[in-house]
Amino acid sequence: DTGVSQDPRHKITKRGQNVTFRCDPISEHNRLYWYRQTLGQGPEFLTYFQNEAQLEKSRLLSDRFSAERPKGSFSTLEIQRTEQGDSAMYLCASSPRLPSSTDTQYFGPGTRLTVL
Amino acid sequence: KQEVTQIPAALSVPEGENLVLNCSFTDSAIYNLQWFRQDPGKGLTSLLLIQSSQREQTSGRLNASLDKSSGRSTLYIAASQPGDSATYLCAPQGGSEKLVFGKGMKLTVNP
Repeated sequence: DTGVSQDPRHKITKRGQNVTFRCDPISEHNRLYWYRQTLGQGPEFLTYFQNEAQLEKSRLLSDRFSAERPKGSFSTLEIQRTEQGDSAMYLCASSPRLPSSTDTQYFGPGTRLTVL
Repeated sequence: KQEVTQIPAALSVPEGENLVLNCSFTDSAIYNLQWFRQDPGKGLTSLLLIQSSQREQTSGRLNASLDKSSGRSTLYIAASQPGDSATYLCAPQGGSEKLVFGKGMKLTVNP
């Protein structure tokens, strides 16, 4: 169990560029979540996968955002035509296979995005 | 829509104090509630998870209580240490599986 990993840890980009982040969940965790956290705020839910199926998307996930989990393992989050308002910490989390009221979500270290 | 409030937003205390962190939520139809810790610029570390059927959960110097009907949870930290300095977030989880977070409470424990 190596924990949830995210890559890159930091990304600086210019407005209008596209960026892609990667998340590797804990092995055999079939559920994977993306959250966004801006300065001074708690994380906000973006989207959630069970295996390769994207089951829920927040209205925060505009058309410029797309997330995939093609083989039910790692996931990518792409932001097209970045805007300064996209600057935030993007957090990934995973949780175990069986639905249970005891399931916790295990968070990765996050990717800090800065849009200039 | 679930809304989560944590008051106060920040707390600064001398080392050794026993602390009470409050969390209130508007929708009592939850499966569980989790408390997390976040160090500056880092991800979240799960501290405690209380199931909806439980009233309390303990881990070391931490004790969390849950009163689902009144929409409140409390995290007690005994004998605080400088290493406890961090932002603490509570997050109830309802049927949609997503966690809904408050803004958190920034704790500073001074040596």
